[in-house]
Amino acid sequence: QLVVTQSPSASASLGASVKLTCTLSSGHSNYAIAWHQQQPEKGPRFLMKLNSDGSHTKGDGIPDRFSGSSSGAERYLTISSLQSEDEADYYCQTWGTDVVFGGGTKLTVL
Amino acid sequence: QVQLVESGGGLVKPGGSLRLSCAASGFTFSDFYMSWVRQAPGKGLEWVSYISRDGSTVYYADSAKGRFTISRDNAKNSLYLQLDSLRTEDTAVYYCARQTQTRAAEIDYWGQGTLVTVSS
Repeated sequence: QLVVTQSPSASASLGASVKLTCTLSSGHSNYAIAWHQQQPEKGPRFLMKLNSDGSHTKGDGIPDRFSGSSSGAERYLTISSLQSEDEADYYCQTWGTDVVFGGGTKLTVL
Repeated sequence: QVQLVESGGGLVKPGGSLRLSCAASGFTFSDFYMSWVRQAPGKGLEWVSYISRDGSTVYYADSAKGRFTISRDNAKNSLYLQLDSLRTEDTAVYYCARQTQTRAAEIDYWGQGTLVTVSS
């Protein structure tokens, strides 16, 4: 069964970097994912599509501070030079026959 | 620019029905797979259903099977979700979302959402 798993929470200091993780279930390590950001009281926004080889395609207007990488079944979202507006929920999404979302990671900027 | 605007949400009693609409603009609607995704209060995102470009292929989450119906009208650049036999646990913000041209893959644009509240 296709599942993506995320840690419920993460935190990092203003101006620092943070790396969020999305883990694909066994047998699905070659799947691509998408990362989405949801700021408080707003709808989600597409950040990027991330392939198993680490190549990624970002959405319109997404700053260079956001980048993606992959290792095995892990898919990462790195945010550098953290700003207050980066405090948000981050969701990974993948797809097979169905579309699957991770539970989301709540990022706190200290 | 790509715009997705949902409408049709509201308060409905358990067992009732509602029809959600999504008006698309800024792209060739008929070229893209489309999805509905919902978010219950304080919870994460849950995919509900997707539809192929010509409407011939549809898929539903288990929670939606037999109760919800997705459809589209490419001439009107519109996506729909018919919600029947509603339950209190269907209370959520419902988002319209664009996927790719070739399959139901990554979502690259989202609407602002419409709130459905199921309560007696």
